[in-house]
Amino acid sequence: GEDVEQSLFLSVREGDSSVINCTYTDSSSTYLYWYKQEPGAGLQLLTYIFSNMDMKQDQRLTVLLNKKDKHLSLRIADTQTGDSAIYFCAESMGNYGQNFVFGPGTRLSVLP
Amino acid sequence: DSGVTQTPKHLITATGQRVTLRCSPRSGDLSVYWYQQSLDQGLQFLIQYYNGEERAKGNILERFSAQQFPDLHSELNLSSLELGDSALYFCASSVGTGVETQYFGPGTRLLVL
Repeated sequence: GEDVEQSLFLSVREGDSSVINCTYTDSSSTYLYWYKQEPGAGLQLLTYIFSNMDMKQDQRLTVLLNKKDKHLSLRIADTQTGDSAIYFCAESMGNYGQNFVFGPGTRLSVLP
Repeated sequence: DSGVTQTPKHLITATGQRVTLRCSPRSGDLSVYWYQQSLDQGLQFLIQYYNGEERAKGNILERFSAQQFPDLHSELNLSSLELGDSALYFCASSVGTGVETQYFGPGTRLLVL
């Protein structure tokens, strides 16, 4: 069955890099996503990677995909206090419609 | 403000009852997605509609149903409610059906007593 796992908590100091990890089980995943949820808000799509890619960089965000190990990571460079939020990893197997499976979320705390 | 509206913001009801949650997508968006977020189950994708048709189905219970109307607003119907249905229900919309930014509404918080 489909399962996405993440560590639940991460604390970093302001200015350091954060690395949030995710493992998934379904090798037929088409896309893998990172979403951010701030307190009291809905989800915001941060970035995504197609399953045939190894890496994607978007400003301070770097996504690495190890398809062999079914491991996805999100690196946030120069982490700021505004990055404090819950980060969800998700996979989808759809091309026609998007059928998402989410991880439990990693709560990132950025310490001054 | 994402442009996605959801009503009501809060809903308190009793077990066994039926409720309807409403979502209006952003202007021009054809896809609507429904999600459930609860403490024990986490965030779960329920269902996606595109231009009135169901496109993808996630972990949606048989007691739950949804539809998208010609004006593109969507309703999520929850029936025979149980305590475990208490959760935050999000609607999101996007332009199409592919990988693109989904814009989330503020959510409807449902409490089943």
